Amino acid sequence: GDSVTQMQGQVTLSEDDFLFINCTYSTTWYPTLFWYVQYPGEGPQLLLKVTTANNKGISRGFEATYDKGTTSFHLQKASVQESDSAVYYCVVSGSFNKLTFGAGTRLAVCP
Amino acid sequence: ETAVFQTPNYHVTQVGNEVSFNCKQTLGHDTMYWYKQDSKKLLKIMFSYNNKQLIVNETVPRRFSPQSSDKAHLNLRIKSVEPEDSAVYLCASSLGGQGTGQLYFGEGSKLTVL
Repeated sequence: GDSVTQMQGQVTLSEDDFLFINCTYSTTWYPTLFWYVQYPGEGPQLLLKVTTANNKGISRGFEATYDKGTTSFHLQKASVQESDSAVYYCVVSGSFNKLTFGAGTRLAVCP
Repeated sequence: ETAVFQTPNYHVTQVGNEVSFNCKQTLGHDTMYWYKQDSKKLLKIMFSYNNKQLIVNETVPRRFSPQSSDKAHLNLRIKSVEPEDSAVYLCASSLGGQGTGQLYFGEGSKLTVL
């Protein structure tokens, strides 16, 4: 089956720092890639979607890029704020019309 | 704006008791899901329900069962809770199957089993 790996379990930054979260995936089908964000006390919500056609997605100051050669998918933001503190999930839609969630990266931004 | 509503938000109970969580979506979606989120924030799909077709994750213990009256409602019943059932249970919905990737989640129902 498909798999998604997020190696960074926890990231701690200060406000205005640069954010970079890496994700690698494996699928036997043409993937569509997503980043979901879960703020404290809420359910996950879709942040970004990237298809193999466009290679990049931008939303709310976040940018996601996709590299087919390395089957990796990154999330970045130039300047994080305390309100960005949340759990970020890398998600792949690939084989058998199923979603596979990564383990999540907890981002803590200190003021 | 919340469009997937879960009740209760919290529930504390003892081993062996029965628990039910309710979920309603007002988005007009045709597919609903239950996910389990553990203390490490790991998300695992338990069930998906579309047009009366139930797809069960084979790792889900048989004491868990989904119940649906119509496409806007999908409840979760746990017949006899175990300590390892302590988790946050998240309901979600989508238009079309999982593959669209665009799921709308509720705020979750946190279960604590003593």
